[in-house]
Amino acid sequence: DIQMTQSPASLSASVGDRVTITCQASHDINKFLNWYQQKPGKAPKLLIHDASNLETGVPSRFSGSGSGTTFTFTISSLQPEDIATYYCQQYDNLPPTFGQGAKLEIK
Amino acid sequence: DVQLLESGGGLVQPGGSLRLSCVASGVTLRSSVMSWLRQAPGKGPEWVSAIVGSGGATYYRGSVKGRFTISRDISKNTLYLEMNNVRADDTAVYYCAKSPGTWYNYFDSWGQGTLVSVSS
Repeated sequence: DIQMTQSPASLSASVGDRVTITCQASHDINKFLNWYQQKPGKAPKLLIHDASNLETGVPSRFSGSGSGTTFTFTISSLQPEDIATYYCQQYDNLPPTFGQGAKLEIK
Repeated sequence: DVQLLESGGGLVQPGGSLRLSCVASGVTLRSSVMSWLRQAPGKGPEWVSAIVGSGGATYYRGSVKGRFTISRDISKNTLYLEMNNVRADDTAVYYCAKSPGTWYNYFDSWGQGTLVSVSS
């Protein structure tokens, strides 16, 4: 299975800050990388698919980039409602696999 | 609007069995790609199984192959996961999820989850 490694595992930022999370794949996965947001006690929510495509209805402050083995997820201006854990997920090789998560907190 | 509602979770002993259900609305299971995923406490989600399109081809992760069975009842628009010979490492919240298109590439609608605890 392809291993997905996210960094940092946790981070603290202030409202209005630019936040960046990195996801590293153990093998080249082209652009087959998705990002999810999960709030406590809730199911994950798809934010970005295929590395950089924003899901319908997701605010434009969220963005993604990258290809191959290194991907970046960015929140351009952190809002209080963005407090959550963020996961990357690849589907280039089956089974689809997720990263271990990046927990975002407000400073 | 797609809605998925899981049920059937609970406490089960190692080696026991359980059947999870996921009632779908706003989507027709006959032509959809549906998956079960799970999430152990403090861990990232893990894909478990999928059933694909009108042909109903099924796919499993290695650790559940031969123990879990995914199926669907088109007349009830309901997805199932039959879990047999469960182990402690099957303990998790189980979600059903829909994928757009024709493959389980990403998961754009999720249920609220049902908790399965395997313990003696």
